[in-house]
Amino acid sequence: AQSVTQPDIHITVSEGASLELRCNYSYGATPYLFWYVQSPGQGLQLLLKYFSGDTLVQGIKGFEAEFKRSQSSFNLRKPSVHWSDAAEYFCAVLPSGAGSYQLTFGKGTKLSVIP
Amino acid sequence: DVKVTQSSRYLVKRTGEKVFLECVQDMDHENMFWYRQDPGLGLRLIYFSYDVKMKEKGDIPEGYSVSREKKERFSLILESASTNQTSMYLCASSIGQGRGNQPQHFGDGTRLSIL
Repeated sequence: AQSVTQPDIHITVSEGASLELRCNYSYGATPYLFWYVQSPGQGLQLLLKYFSGDTLVQGIKGFEAEFKRSQSSFNLRKPSVHWSDAAEYFCAVLPSGAGSYQLTFGKGTKLSVIP
Repeated sequence: DVKVTQSSRYLVKRTGEKVFLECVQDMDHENMFWYRQDPGLGLRLIYFSYDVKMKEKGDIPEGYSVSREKKERFSLILESASTNQTSMYLCASSIGQGRGNQPQHFGDGTRLSIL
């Protein structure tokens, strides 16, 4: 079974600083990979996804993520954080085989932004 | 834009009651999912459905059932609510496998309290 690890439970950055949120997965092949963001009291919003091809993917709100097969990682980055980015971020994997429906989520990383 | 609508944002019920959580999506998605989200435990899949009248157990189905009589609607039922079912419940939908793997889209969640 696949698993997802987000090693950082809580990260605090200053507004305008760069950001990197880590995600490592365990799966036999290359899965489909996603990052979601959840603002307080809200549902999850899709930031970006990786299915195949270019390993650097661009998402909404200025976020990007890089897939590194050798490290089984899919880290999320943003060059300059805004106060509105304060939220919880979830990495998720979906097996790439046929008949796979179940997303596996990491436990999440809570981002706090200092003005 | 995909719209997943959960009928209630907040709900308070009593122990032993039968509770219905409703979810509707407007994008003709084949797959629908129910998760619960608890601090420190992340998102856990309760049930999912890949077609009308079809359902599959997720990781934590005990104490829950589901109903999918129409493609756009997926209901979660707590047969006899207990206090340990107090949680945030999230509904999601995605395009079926036959149309390629696509990410799940989430509703805003229902915060359910069982007293």
